Amino acid sequence: EAGVTQFPSHSVIEKGQTVTLRCDPISGHDNLYWYRRVMGKEIKFLLHFVKESKQDESGMPNNRFLAERTGGTYSTLKVQPAELEDSGVYFCASSPFTGSSSYNEQFFGPGTRLTVL
Amino acid sequence: AQSVTQLGSHVSVSEGALVLLRCNYSSSVPPYLFWYVQYPNQGLQLLLKYTSAATLVKGINGFEAEFKKSETSFHLTKPSAHMSDAAEYFCAVITNQAGTALIFGKGTTLSVSS
Repeated sequence: EAGVTQFPSHSVIEKGQTVTLRCDPISGHDNLYWYRRVMGKEIKFLLHFVKESKQDESGMPNNRFLAERTGGTYSTLKVQPAELEDSGVYFCASSPFTGSSSYNEQFFGPGTRLTVL
Repeated sequence: AQSVTQLGSHVSVSEGALVLLRCNYSSSVPPYLFWYVQYPNQGLQLLLKYTSAATLVKGINGFEAEFKKSETSFHLTKPSAHMSDAAEYFCAVITNQAGTALIFGKGTTLSVSS
């Protein structure tokens, strides 16, 4: 079974440009998470989808970031316009939904390394 | 609010030596605790997890961790390091059983020399 995949693996853009990151979760996983790691800092949560609905977007840094998950399958994270401080590694994770009483392990993708010049 | 502190951003050991990576957490409710590993150019892989069952948790690749509530710690150990253990290790906490956001430490890079 394929794991979580992310595209592209690397992206280098100039300040002010737009970038769209894509995440394909494990098939059948209803939960999809985005995280970000800025250099030298910890991995931080951005947002959580359950199917196509945003369950928690408390970690989104500002309105330059837009995440979508149309149809409840893959997700995109768009940064527009990109700023220097947006550079970092963006991770996607997915987990199955097995009810609110059990912990659902999150499976991570390899990440997209974004560099804003 | 929950938080995780990993002591030491870089740990170096010799092959065959004990590996000890430290993690302390802060949580007002019983936590679930995790160790993830990231090998170069790969995603984070779950090593082991504590979910309120046995306090000594065994994971993959010979790693284990012990949950100590009195010390608010969840240190990761391996009796004998192997070259293939060189990677970055992350401790994480979650306090909601419904699988919400993981809160990570800053990570510890483990180097293993021959």
